[in-house]
Amino acid sequence: AQTVTQSQPEMSVQEAETVTLSCTYDTSESDYYLFWYKQPPSRQMILVIRQEAYKQQNATENRFSVNFQKAAKSFSLKISDSQLGDAAMYFCAYRSPNYGGSQGNLIFGKGTKLSVKP
Amino acid sequence: GAVVSQHPSWVICKSGTSVKIECRSLDFQATTMFWYRQFPKQSLMLMATSNEGSKATYEQGVEKDKFLINHASLTLSTLTVTSAHPEDSSFYICSARDRGTVGSYNSPLHFGNGTRLTVT
Repeated sequence: AQTVTQSQPEMSVQEAETVTLSCTYDTSESDYYLFWYKQPPSRQMILVIRQEAYKQQNATENRFSVNFQKAAKSFSLKISDSQLGDAAMYFCAYRSPNYGGSQGNLIFGKGTKLSVKP
Repeated sequence: GAVVSQHPSWVICKSGTSVKIECRSLDFQATTMFWYRQFPKQSLMLMATSNEGSKATYEQGVEKDKFLINHASLTLSTLTVTSAHPEDSSFYICSARDRGTVGSYNSPLHFGNGTRLTVT
């Protein structure tokens, strides 16, 4: 079974600075998808960024980028120019492709609470 | 963008009663919906996978007779917590996958806003 580990329960960053959130996962599959979700106090799950395992190029979305190391099974999220609105819980998630019996559900890590200091 | 409406957003009920939570995909068809449960300051735990027109698939440890899931149409899945007890108090979140997206296996899941259930 696949597992997702986020080893940092809490992180803090100064506004306008850069912060990196760690995520590692365990799987025997070669084809899968990885996601970072943000959950603000409203509890709404917001997709931040996603990465297909078959792509070597790291995904980027504006101030958000990932460092995907497939061999190491590592998928860290870098937030540049941190803003107050970035404060939230961040969940790393793994998803199998929906074939071969998989429904494609998400497996979440335990989350990292990010605080942004003004 | 794809919108998933979850209702109610919060509900308080007495112990022993049943509560129904609805999850609707407003602008897309969802053959598969997922129901998650989230305890305070914890991650989302998958409870069950709901497939339109068929029985739901429950994760190990989730009582299917207590958490009834119905996915009667391509846009609606319901979760009914039967004979609720205080330990059922939690945050429940649904998500749905757009079946119409090209390469839908790669499409992200769209989440509802969640339902906070409090059982007194």
